[in-house]
Parts: sequence; structure tokens; C-alpha cells
Amino acid sequence: EVQLVESGGGLVQPGGSLRLSCAASGLTFSAYWMSWVRQAPGKELEWVAYIKEDGNEKYYVDSVKGRFTISRDNAKNSLYLQMNNLRAEDTAVYYCVGRRGEKWGQGTLVTVSS
Amino acid sequence: DVVMTQSPLSLPVTLGQPASISCRSSQSLVYSDGNTYLNWFQQRPGRSPRRLIYKVSNRDSGVPDRFSGSGSGTDFTLKISRVEAEDVGVYYCMQGIHWPWTFGQGTKVEIK
Repeated sequence: EVQLVESGGGLVQPGGSLRLSCAASGLTFSAYWMSWVRQAPGKELEWVAYIKEDGNEKYYVDSVKGRFTISRDNAKNSLYLQMNNLRAEDTAVYYCVGRRGEKWGQGTLVTVSS
Repeated sequence: DVVMTQSPLSLPVTLGQPASISCRSSQSLVYSDGNTYLNWFQQRPGRSPRRLIYKVSNRDSGVPDRFSGSGSGTDFTLKISRVEAEDVGVYYCMQGIHWPWTFGQGTKVEIK
């Protein structure tokens, strides 16, 4: 059974940092390009970033460019999202997602507030 | 960014009756490889999204055959042939060809 388990969410002040992690199991992680998708409370889904299988290509939505960094460690079957200079509008549930939505984690809540 | 426009945004349905959701994209979703990267997702209350349909009309494993997808170019439709109680939730279309990939606003399906 495929499992994507996110961790690292929490409450952070504006301007602060968080690092999200996603542990993958039940799939050949190195064969999956992976993404982070977020959903602000009561809002629609937003694709934040994705990374190719070997980690050499990365793409970001404009609103997070220069602040967020997606990375992966195929040896550890893990995906990461380093989030710096956080803003109130980054408050959301962040999902770890395989390919174009084929697999989803349960999500981790990030709250940016003073 | 490609704008995905869904209609209706709210869809009250009677159990056992059909339901249909429309999705229109602001640009063609046909990729150079000939595939059309239009997916449909279901998000039940309090749950993560789940993909139902990929590349317009292909059902994911375990998805009941009452769900079907159709369309081409910029106009797409998700149909539920007979709505069941477990189908309550929000349905999203999503394009996976033009970065950033984008979702529609969501259609909330509820039982009358």
C-alpha cells in the first residue's frame, strides 16, 4: 500500500521558517516526480512546487519563488519543502503529492500568525 | 496562468440521480505528446483529495464505474451516473500541462 506521510507543520510567526518532510513507502520513490500542493482554509487547491525524479528540475508557483525550496532524498524515500520568510497567506494544509495527483498524503497544517 | 472554470459551484442532487460537472480551461490542454492532461479529483469532507479520472477519461484504480470523464481541447465534463451518499464532497478539475498546474474552484456536491 502506498503511503505518503507529511510532518513538520505547525505555528510560526511571520518571517519565520519551517521545513516540511514527506516519508514515502510502498512505491518506487525514485521513479516518481513529486510535488507539494496546499489548501488554505476553505479555499481551493494550489500547486506549490514540483521536482523531477532525479531532483535536477524544480518548478515553483510565483508566490513562493525565492522563499520555498523543494528537495528530495531518494535514498531515504523522502521529499522536503523548506519554507522561509513565511507570510500569513502561506497558512494552509500542505499535501505531499505523487505525479499529477496520483497519490496524496494526509496533509500537514502550517499556520503563520503572530 | 491557465484558468480552470467549473460550473456549477454547488450541485444539490437526489440519491440515485445523475450529476454532471463542467470544466473549461483558458488554454488548450493538449500536450505535444498527444495526451490531454486533465484530471478530476474528489475531496470528501475532512479528507485529502483523491484522483478519480486522469487524462480526461481514464478511471483510477478502485474508482466506481458510475464516474466518467469526457471532453477535449478546453471543455471537459465529469459525470456521475447515479449519485450515492458517499459521493458527497467537493470535486475539482485540474490541468497538468502548463506550469503552474492549476485547479478549478471546486464544485460542492450535496444530497437534496
